[in-house]
Amino acid sequence: SYELTQPPSVSVSPGRTARITCSGDELPNKYAYWYQKRTGQAPVLLIYEDTKRPSGIPERFSGSTSGTMATLTISGAQVDDEADYYCYSTDRSGNHGVFGTGTKVIV
Amino acid sequence: QVHLVESGGGVVQPGTSLRLSCAASGFTFTTNAMNWVRQAPGRGLEWLTVISNNGNYKYYADSVMGRFTVSRDNSKNTVYLQMNSLRSEDTAIYYCGRDRDSNSPEYIQNWGQGTLVTVSS
Repeated sequence: SYELTQPPSVSVSPGRTARITCSGDELPNKYAYWYQKRTGQAPVLLIYEDTKRPSGIPERFSGSTSGTMATLTISGAQVDDEADYYCYSTDRSGNHGVFGTGTKVIV
Repeated sequence: QVHLVESGGGVVQPGTSLRLSCAASGFTFTTNAMNWVRQAPGRGLEWLTVISNNGNYKYYADSVMGRFTVSRDNSKNTVYLQMNSLRSEDTAIYYCGRDRDSNSPEYIQNWGQGTLVTVSS
């Protein structure tokens, strides 16, 4: 089955930039989405369709793609950004959703 | 305002069944496909299944194919997840999610708060 691979953890100092990668063979053909997940809370959509930010999401969160890799960038990371981050996409058929393996961001 | 409320979780023994419900409000329920996602303790998010807006299309992750069945009652604005032959590895928080698309998974726009299922003897 299709897999999306993320680094287990990323450490960043407050005010610096964190980059979280998501690797998948179908990403050149499928959109990537990014969710923030805090313990005990429902996931929050940060980025949709590779680069778009929903209303209410701070501008420090941005998305990009290149080939088989999607990247979530947190510019000027804040302590409050400590959470787990997941990329999401669909498989080649488009009939199955897939979450990335998840990345813990430590600020 | 979109509101999704899961219910039906609890503690069950291995090999038994459980049905989860997700009551939706705040949007036209017949417009969107609905997903189920789970998170086991200490693990990541796992997409399980999606049902199209009219219930005609259903897709499952390999991990639950043949054991879990998704359904919906559009007259009640509710989606269900029937879980059979439960195993300890099914222990997780189960979330329902409203999809952007009507027929197949695109992405989850709105999430419920989740319901905990514990499979233990």
